[in-house]
Amino acid sequence: DARVTQTPRHKVTEMGQEVTMRCQPILGHNTVFWYRQTMMQGLELLAYFRNRAPLDDSGMPKDRFSAEMPDATLATLKIQPSEPRDSAVYFCASGLIRGTEAFFGQGTRLTVV
Amino acid sequence: SQQGEEDPQALSIQEGENATMNCSYKTSINNLQWYRQNSGRGLVHLILIRSNEREKHSGRLRVTLDTSKKSSSLLITASRAADTASYFCATDMMYSGGGADGLTFGKGTHLIIQP
Repeated sequence: DARVTQTPRHKVTEMGQEVTMRCQPILGHNTVFWYRQTMMQGLELLAYFRNRAPLDDSGMPKDRFSAEMPDATLATLKIQPSEPRDSAVYFCASGLIRGTEAFFGQGTRLTVV
Repeated sequence: SQQGEEDPQALSIQEGENATMNCSYKTSINNLQWYRQNSGRGLVHLILIRSNEREKHSGRLRVTLDTSKKSSSLLITASRAADTASYFCATDMMYSGGGADGLTFGKGTHLIIQP
């Protein structure tokens, strides 16, 4: 049963620490999305990759966030340094080709204290 | 930034009734998709409607799209307690050459089905 896998599922960290979230997209999918979900803002698109190349990361605070795809089986989202306002659920999703459905992981719930 | 906006924000109905949720968006799209999210879980794709389609059905789901009004609706017929969830519309925007072309979501409609 193909699925998007995100690790860790939960992360509690202190302000100022580096946080790395990982995503394994469904094998063969060439598009990967990172979203952040909060009650206030809803689902925000942070970054978007196609064939491992970043197409758009305009939704991401550049000073502290970075997103990469070291290879086709791994996408990472890093926050350094983390701040309490980064507390949210971060979702990764992958898709086969543009214009089709996205498959979501279960999310990483991040709490920065 | 949000492209789609769902209405209402919350909806509570009795089991067996029909539930209708609406979505409005701002710019031209390639397609519009509806997703469901159960509490604490990831989003699950429900249905996709392309910009040249006006209506689509899938089981108890009916989606309409009016590109002239930049709006869509999701109808769930004969609702069940298990339909309780948040429902989101997502737009796949036409690539403008300068902006995001990833899927962008609204804030969702929280649907509660009373048994």
